[in-house]
Amino acid sequence: TQLLEQSPQFLSIQEGENLTVYCNSSSVFSSLQWYRQEPGEGPVLLVTVVTGGEVKKLKRLTFQFGDARKDSSLHITAAQPGDTGLYLCAGDVIGLNDMRFGAGTRLTVKP
Amino acid sequence: NAGVMQNPRHLVRRRGQEARLRCSPMKGHSHVYWYRQLPEEGLKFMVYLQKENIIDESGMPKERFSAEFPKEGPSILRIQQVVRGDSAAYFCASSPTVLQRDWNYGYTFGSGTRLTVV
Repeated sequence: TQLLEQSPQFLSIQEGENLTVYCNSSSVFSSLQWYRQEPGEGPVLLVTVVTGGEVKKLKRLTFQFGDARKDSSLHITAAQPGDTGLYLCAGDVIGLNDMRFGAGTRLTVKP
Repeated sequence: NAGVMQNPRHLVRRRGQEARLRCSPMKGHSHVYWYRQLPEEGLKFMVYLQKENIIDESGMPKERFSAEFPKEGPSILRIQQVVRGDSAAYFCASSPTVLQRDWNYGYTFGSGTRLTVV
């Protein structure tokens, strides 16, 4: 079983649409991060959220950390083909030495 | 400003051979993490190392796999007697410290080594 459950697993939308992807767990995280990975490359950090209830914006991307620090969401407004990729959430579980990753949401934005 | 350097990018090994994957962390980073990724899947933690120390190897198979991060030189992930099931992308990440990893630094990943066992 995954420590972090991401949904949906796959998402295919048209350019200009909005979307939200989710990252859920029963564990509490001291911090949670979102990464984007393109084919053949390593993941690239998008954001780190630390405080329960925190909201961070990165251009058309809005990240939210749940009040209980167990879940997070990523909302993309007016998606573009350049947003296509694998979106991974990773959590720093209290008591563990390292980040644990979800299986990812594979987003395809069609022009 | 070199990032995390992994080599080789692609590695083909026959069953039973050894695979050695190298990772040079970013300058100033003393923490190295190895992850494995199968096609269409997320990253699975393998091992966390600091210089000359293995901090957490709970994700690494007990047999055939080993990792080191010597005082000098890159971190090495070594897979002995490879089998077809070892075929995957292996990613290395580094961070300055544990605390700085949390506060907006996150991990910096290399581009990975794609191991194919034939």
